[in-house]
Amino acid sequence: DGGITQSPKYLFRKEGQNVTLSCEQNLNHDAMYWYRQDPGQGLRLIYYSQIVNDFQKGDIAEGYSVSREKKESFPLTVTSAQKNPTAFYLCASSIGADLPTNEKLFFGSGTQLSVL
Amino acid sequence: QKEVEQDPGPLSVPEGAIVSLNCTYSNSAFQYFMWYRQYSRKGPELLMYTYSSGNKEDGRFTAQVDKSSKYISLFIRDSQPSDSATYLCAMKKTSNTGKLIFGQGTTLQVKP
Repeated sequence: DGGITQSPKYLFRKEGQNVTLSCEQNLNHDAMYWYRQDPGQGLRLIYYSQIVNDFQKGDIAEGYSVSREKKESFPLTVTSAQKNPTAFYLCASSIGADLPTNEKLFFGSGTQLSVL
Repeated sequence: QKEVEQDPGPLSVPEGAIVSLNCTYSNSAFQYFMWYRQYSRKGPELLMYTYSSGNKEDGRFTAQVDKSSKYISLFIRDSQPSDSATYLCAMKKTSNTGKLIFGQGTTLQVKP
């Protein structure tokens, strides 16, 4: 059963704490992405990776960090520098990052992060 | 001004109605247009994909792109309660690696 698995489903962060969101895919896709979704604002790109050991900043990368040590995994760390982290975080993948292979994104089920 | 504008709704219609969902955009460089459907607290899934102008039909769904007006639409015929979801338009420039621009999403409720 191929797909993208995000964990945990719900996560709570204390003040000054770093938290890591997990994203694993078994679709053998080269490209992976992290989006943030806030009510009324659609999806905004945080980081993306086209290949192992390489990643690029998206539109709202400040306060976040990522790694891509394995093709299947693209964890996102929300650092204490992110002052407004409460949001729904979505991980996605595509066959490649360049057209025409990246128009179809496959999404995970998301992680809701809240601040305590 | 946002690059892509979408009325957030909510839009409520009776079962069987024809639904029209729309997005406008400001950048003529967008060439690829998509519609994603997102059920509550789930990841979006690709519904329709169109390149450049024209219409594309898939079952009860029709996607329409009017590049001269910078306007895209998604029509749902014979709407069902199972169509109740948030619909997100997304678009992409040819030159942009990895970057899809999403609208805010329109929440649709189809009442039985």
